[in-house]
Amino acid sequence: ETAVFQTPNYHVTQVGNEVSFNCKQTLGHDTMYWYKQDSKKLLKIMFSYNNKQLIVNETVPRRFSPQSSDKAHLNLRIKSVEPEDSAVYLCASSRPGQGRDTQYFGPGTRLLVL
Amino acid sequence: QQKVQQSPESLSVPEGGMASLNCTSSDRNFQYFWWYRQHSGEGPKALMSIFSDGDKKEGRFTAHLNKASLHVSLHIRDSQPSDSALYFCAASEHSNNRIFFGDGTQLVVKP
Repeated sequence: ETAVFQTPNYHVTQVGNEVSFNCKQTLGHDTMYWYKQDSKKLLKIMFSYNNKQLIVNETVPRRFSPQSSDKAHLNLRIKSVEPEDSAVYLCASSRPGQGRDTQYFGPGTRLLVL
Repeated sequence: QQKVQQSPESLSVPEGGMASLNCTSSDRNFQYFWWYRQHSGEGPKALMSIFSDGDKKEGRFTAHLNKASLHVSLHIRDSQPSDSALYFCAASEHSNNRIFFGDGTQLVVKP
């Protein structure tokens, strides 16, 4: 049963455009994450938010920015997309426990940059 | 350096057979381990968690953890075609919620 929702499912755009992806979780979790899954299926953490505060910010390009209105929502904006941004972007959530909490993932947003 | 290493990269087993996936970590701070499974076109889903040394069995799936050697394995008995997926090993420390994922093992179960 899906409890982490992502929109859109799929997005095609051209180099230089701005895109925005949405994520919502109904699990009551306090921590949310964005991952990038590349063509080799590798999972790379991009950001995490705990109660609207950024607590992890990996070395991603500045054109990526997370946006959160409340603890149930975490969006991702990409200004001026590049071809290497083509990937699947996965949103996840978890309780803010001491490392032992399972992360729950959404179905992903597939981005194709032409 | 990758903190979580998985082997093999890919694995093919016949239907009804046993699939064995392996994972080792290089960080002795890791306390908690998971196996995640990702079917094509979906997000990863936690299959099993294991936090204590020894075996943990859930149906056809058995995870084994040896913290001394930082090795965790997943064994799937009576493999089914629906088990065909990408399996990730994941680990985290006690102090924070960041999970480190391995590169994945692609399992194919042939009917």
